[in-house]
Amino acid sequence: AQKVTQAQTEISVVEKEDVTLDCVYETRDTTYYLFWYKQPPSGELVFLIRRNSFDEQNEISGRYSWNFQKSTSSFNFTITASQVVDSAVYFCALSDLSGSARQLTFGSGTQLTVLP
Amino acid sequence: DGGITQSPKYLFRKEGQNVTLSCEQNLNHDAMYWYRQDPGQGLRLIYYSQIVNDFQKGDIAEGYSVSREKKESFPLTVTSAQKNPTAFYLCASSTDSSYNSPLHFGNGTRLTVT
Repeated sequence: AQKVTQAQTEISVVEKEDVTLDCVYETRDTTYYLFWYKQPPSGELVFLIRRNSFDEQNEISGRYSWNFQKSTSSFNFTITASQVVDSAVYFCALSDLSGSARQLTFGSGTQLTVLP
Repeated sequence: DGGITQSPKYLFRKEGQNVTLSCEQNLNHDAMYWYRQDPGQGLRLIYYSQIVNDFQKGDIAEGYSVSREKKESFPLTVTSAQKNPTAFYLCASSTDSSYNSPLHFGNGTRLTVT
């Protein structure tokens, strides 16, 4: 069965610090997708990135970067020069083909607080 | 602007009453989903629908019911059989139900049952 572990329940940093959110996953499938979502205080989850299992290139989008390593089953998310607006709960999720047509498993989330 | 609208934002009910949460989307998405979020537990899938007039149970469907009579609408009823209904409920949609489609979420409904 698939599983996503976000071991960091809460992280607190001071503005302008870099911060890395960890995500470790388990799946028996060789083909799968990994996602990161951001949940600001308003409540809705906002899609940040999708990565398929065959693409191990790291990705950078502005202050955000993602490090996908199949060897360690990890898909970590780094925010560079954090800002107060980055404060939110961040979820990592895994989607594979086991079970039903749509099986998306979420981690328990990491609450990031960026202090001014 | 296209998006997903959930209403109401906050809902209070007495134990033993059924309650229906609304979810409407104008993104022309085929697939819609209901998730439940509890503190420290991430999101758990209640029901999903791939097309109109079809829906499937998720991991925690007991005590819930849904309908999908229109493409735009996917209401969730929390019945009195749900033993612990107080939670934050999120509706989502995707272009299709393929496993690589990102989900688009509504703002959620916080249900409190006393």
